[in-house]
Amino acid sequence: DIQMTQSPSSLSASVGDRVTITCRASQSISSYLNWYQQKPGKAPKLLIYAASSLQSGVPSRFSGSGSGTDFTLTISSLQPEDFATYYCQQSYSTLNTFGPGTKVDIK
Amino acid sequence: QVQLVQSGAEVKKPGSSVKVSCKASGGTFSSYAISWVRQAPGQGLEWMGRIIPILGIANYAQKFQGRVTITADKSTSTAYMELSSLRSEDTAVYYCVRDIVVVVAATDYYYMDVWGKGTTVTVSS
Repeated sequence: DIQMTQSPSSLSASVGDRVTITCRASQSISSYLNWYQQKPGKAPKLLIYAASSLQSGVPSRFSGSGSGTDFTLTISSLQPEDFATYYCQQSYSTLNTFGPGTKVDIK
Repeated sequence: QVQLVQSGAEVKKPGSSVKVSCKASGGTFSSYAISWVRQAPGQGLEWMGRIIPILGIANYAQKFQGRVTITADKSTSTAYMELSSLRSEDTAVYYCVRDIVVVVAATDYYYMDVWGKGTTVTVSS
């Protein structure tokens, strides 16, 4: 299976901060990388697909970049509703895998 | 718009099996795949497997091979996930998810865009 790692595992930030989360694959996955946001007690929500395409209805402060093995999710100006856990997921392999998650909380 | 409605919470004994259902409404059931993702308490997301209803073909994560069976009934637009030989570590919320393909720059990309609300499975003696 393709292994996914994320860093940091958690971070504290303030409203208005620029936040960057990194995801790394154990082998090249081209641009087959998706990002999800999950709030406590809720199902995950798709934010970004194909590494950099913004899902319909997702605010433009969210952006994704990268290809191959290294990817980033950036929140340009953190809003109160963005405090959540973020997961990357590879869809290069038929057998998908998720990263371990990055929890973003309030400083 | 597609909605996925899952069956209710289950409490099971170790060694038994559980079967969770996921009924799709809206959209064309056979035009997408259904994945199953689980989340143990306080833990991350874990992809278990996927079925393509129109083909009846399922793929499973290595970790669950031999213990999980994913099926689909096109006539009722319902997918099922059965997990056997349950142990306490299988206590988790189980989600069914629509798994679709989109073309970006002439390349097919896959992602999960519609999630069920989740089914809590508790394994306890």
